[in-house]
Amino acid sequence: GQQLNQSPQSMFIQEGEDVSMNCTSSSIFNTWLWYKQDPGEGPVLLIALYKAGELTSNGRLTAQFGITRKDSFLNISASIPSDVGIYFCAGQGGGNKLVFGAGTILRVKS
Amino acid sequence: DAMVIQNPRYQVTQFGKPVTLSCSQTLNHNVMYWYQQKSSQAPKLLFHYYDKDFNNEADTPDNFQSRRPNTSFCFLDIRSPGLGDTAMYLCATSRERGGLSSYNEQFFGPGTRLTVL
Repeated sequence: GQQLNQSPQSMFIQEGEDVSMNCTSSSIFNTWLWYKQDPGEGPVLLIALYKAGELTSNGRLTAQFGITRKDSFLNISASIPSDVGIYFCAGQGGGNKLVFGAGTILRVKS
Repeated sequence: DAMVIQNPRYQVTQFGKPVTLSCSQTLNHNVMYWYQQKSSQAPKLLFHYYDKDFNNEADTPDNFQSRRPNTSFCFLDIRSPGLGDTAMYLCATSRERGGLSSYNEQFFGPGTRLTVL
């Protein structure tokens, strides 16, 4: 089946630093999504990308849909303690089914 | 506020004892999904309902069943839980099912953390 490779697996950074994570796939996706999950909660959508090459921002977050439609990255600028959590990329192929990456655990030192 | 609600938030059951998890939504969405998320792993889709139409994933064990008595409610029944079924179970909804080139945002509930002893 379709799989997403998400990296890095975890990050431990200093408050104020920028963060970058990415996902790659052997399959083409029509939509790329980035979710954040806090401990004990469900994932919350951060950014949705619909077109190859699209670059979208949401506050301090920026994400891009790769030209080949097989990859995406998420950047967080000037990290703050509440950025702590697990970040998942997800690709949507046919229908509304999502394939999730394994997640990136982000920890922030203040 | 419109939302996706899951009950209970935490559930402990014994090996082999049937358990039912509940999801309700005030969004009036047509599609409801159930995902299983094991510790440190990504959510994995078990099945979804489009209105009353049930769609099972090919690798979902027979032990997992679902019911959707009306638009607002959807239940996950685990007939004979095993130790390996310990996980977070997430319910999500979307307005429509989407097409090949369109995506309908999925809204997730807070999850039910199930522990099988």
